[in-house]
Amino acid sequence: GDSVTQMEGPVTLSEEAFLTINCTYTATGYPSLFWYVQYPGEGLQLLLKATKADDKGSNKGFEATYRKETTSFHLEKGSVQVSDSAVYFCALNTNAGKSTFGDGTTLTVKP
Amino acid sequence: GAGVSQSPRYKVAKRGQDVALRCDPISGHVSLFWYQQALGQGPEFLTYFQNEAQLDKSGLPSDRFFAERPEGSVSTLKIQRTQQEDSAVYLCASSPDRVPFQAFFGQGTRLTVV
Repeated sequence: GDSVTQMEGPVTLSEEAFLTINCTYTATGYPSLFWYVQYPGEGLQLLLKATKADDKGSNKGFEATYRKETTSFHLEKGSVQVSDSAVYFCALNTNAGKSTFGDGTTLTVKP
Repeated sequence: GAGVSQSPRYKVAKRGQDVALRCDPISGHVSLFWYQQALGQGPEFLTYFQNEAQLDKSGLPSDRFFAERPEGSVSTLKIQRTQQEDSAVYLCASSPDRVPFQAFFGQGTRLTVV
């Protein structure tokens, strides 16, 4: 079946540091890939997405590139802020509609 | 409202009680999903509706779990004879698409079974 494996946390960085959160997947067919973010006390929000190989999703300074050859969708940001502290979930979605999520990576950014 | 609304936000149930969790999707959204999120884990798919039709219920963990969406809008997830392992956050999501690729999530209902 479909599965998503993401980097275990927690991750603690200083403000303005570079962020990478690794995500790899296993899927039948050609999934769409997503990063969701969950800020403290809030629901899951879509951060970015990519629907086909080599697509790059980007939003709020975050980027991720759909790499079919390595079945990966790593999340990056060049300079994190305290306000980026949250839990980040990698997910995939096939034509079946339902999404498969990773277990989440908690990011804490310290001033 | 503008987003997916779930109620109650918190529910404490005694083991063996029945509970009903409500989801109000974004108006006009065709697709609706329920997910279960255990502490420290990602959401796990439970069931999927397209309008009032339940197209996939493969994720429901037992026959104690039942979901409905009778008029193709509001949905209710019912858990009968709750057990401690049912304690989790239950998330509802909706999508405007018949073949949904992106879902909009509610804040969830945190169920604690004592």
